[in-house]
Amino acid sequence: NAGVMQNPRHLVRRRGQEARLRCSPMKGHSHVYWYRQLPEEGLKFMVYLQKENIIDESGMPKERFSAEFPKEGPSILRIQQVVRGDSAAYFCASSPPGGQTQYFGPGTRLLVL
Amino acid sequence: GESVGLHLPTLSVQEGDNSIINCAYSNSASDYFIWYKQESGKGPQFIIDIRSNMDKRQGQRVTVLLNKTVKHLSLQIAATQPGDSAVYFCAENKGTDKLIFGTGTRLQVFP
Repeated sequence: NAGVMQNPRHLVRRRGQEARLRCSPMKGHSHVYWYRQLPEEGLKFMVYLQKENIIDESGMPKERFSAEFPKEGPSILRIQQVVRGDSAAYFCASSPPGGQTQYFGPGTRLLVL
Repeated sequence: GESVGLHLPTLSVQEGDNSIINCAYSNSASDYFIWYKQESGKGPQFIIDIRSNMDKRQGQRVTVLLNKTVKHLSLQIAATQPGDSAVYFCAENKGTDKLIFGTGTRLQVFP
């Protein structure tokens, strides 16, 4: 049973470009969460989605960031017009319906030059 | 509120000794707690969890203790091995919602 998958694992962008991060949850999981981690820090919640719905986006910056989890396909975290401060590791987690345990993917490390 | 990032505290133990990692959580309404292990360059890996109606839970070589009175959580690792070297995070959760992570503790195991 494959775990949570994320791609790409590493992403380099220049300032002003767009970054698209993908997450495929574990089989049978319908809840997806995105977190951001800076070096030497804990993970910070960004957004919680279920299929076709954003449940909680209280951790998302108001501008340039968006997330979706379509009926078919992976969840996408999109960062428009990236700035150097967006450089971080972005982790996706998934959980089954009604489940509290979140299982994490390997992360995407975004570097903005 | 959420924890603020700080330079990671480090716990150094000798191989074979027991390790105790501590965590203070913030929300008295949290009803579910998880310990994660994160190795360099990898995502957090689930270790063990505990619900608020329990004080203690044991797994293989690991034990989690919960003290709701002082909002304190600890992870005990028996017979620590070199493969246990990693950063350990506690996380709290209320309902099926976001996890709030602690600042983390780096565990270093030396021979």
